[in-house]
Amino acid sequence: EVQLVESGGVVVQPGGSLRLSCAASGFTFDTYFMHWVRQGPGKGLEWVSLISGDGVRKYYADSVKGRFTVSRDNSKNSLYLQMNSLRIEDTALYYCAKDSGGSIDHWGQGTLVTVSS
Amino acid sequence: DVVMTQSPLSLPVTLGQPASISCRSSQSLVYSDGNTYLNWFHQRPGQSPRRLIYKVSNWDSGVPDRFSGSGSGTEFTLKISRVEAEDVGVYYCMQGTHWPYTFGQGTKLEVK
Repeated sequence: EVQLVESGGVVVQPGGSLRLSCAASGFTFDTYFMHWVRQGPGKGLEWVSLISGDGVRKYYADSVKGRFTVSRDNSKNSLYLQMNSLRIEDTALYYCAKDSGGSIDHWGQGTLVTVSS
Repeated sequence: DVVMTQSPLSLPVTLGQPASISCRSSQSLVYSDGNTYLNWFHQRPGQSPRRLIYKVSNWDSGVPDRFSGSGSGTEFTLKISRVEAEDVGVYYCMQGTHWPYTFGQGTKLEVK
């Protein structure tokens, strides 16, 4: 059974930094692209970032480019999102999600990031 | 980026009655391999999204057959033949043909 468990969400001040983690199990982690998708309070889904299975290719939404960095450690079956220069509008539930070629087939439960002074 | 437009955004339905959600894309979703990467997700209140349908009309495991997906090119539809109480929540379409993946705004289904 595929499991994705996010952690690291906290309350942080504007301009601060945070690193989210996602522990994956139940599938061959290093063969899959992985996403971060976020959902602001009462809002819809917004794709944030994608990383290839080998960690070489990385893609970002324009809204986070230059501030967020995605990475992975395949030896630990873990995905990360380093978030710098956080803004109030980055407040959201952040989901780790598994790609399945033109789709997302599994989602974690999410970790809440609140940016507030 | 490809814009995904859903309608309606709010859908009150009587239990046992059918429901239909439309999703329109700003570009054709037919990929060079011939597949159309249009997906539908359901998000119940307080839960993560769950994929229902991929590549327009393929069910995920465990999805009731009262759900069906159809469409082509830029016009797609999710239909529920008879709405049940567990179907409440928000439905999202998402395209995975063009980079980056993009979502529709969501359609909130509620029981009258």
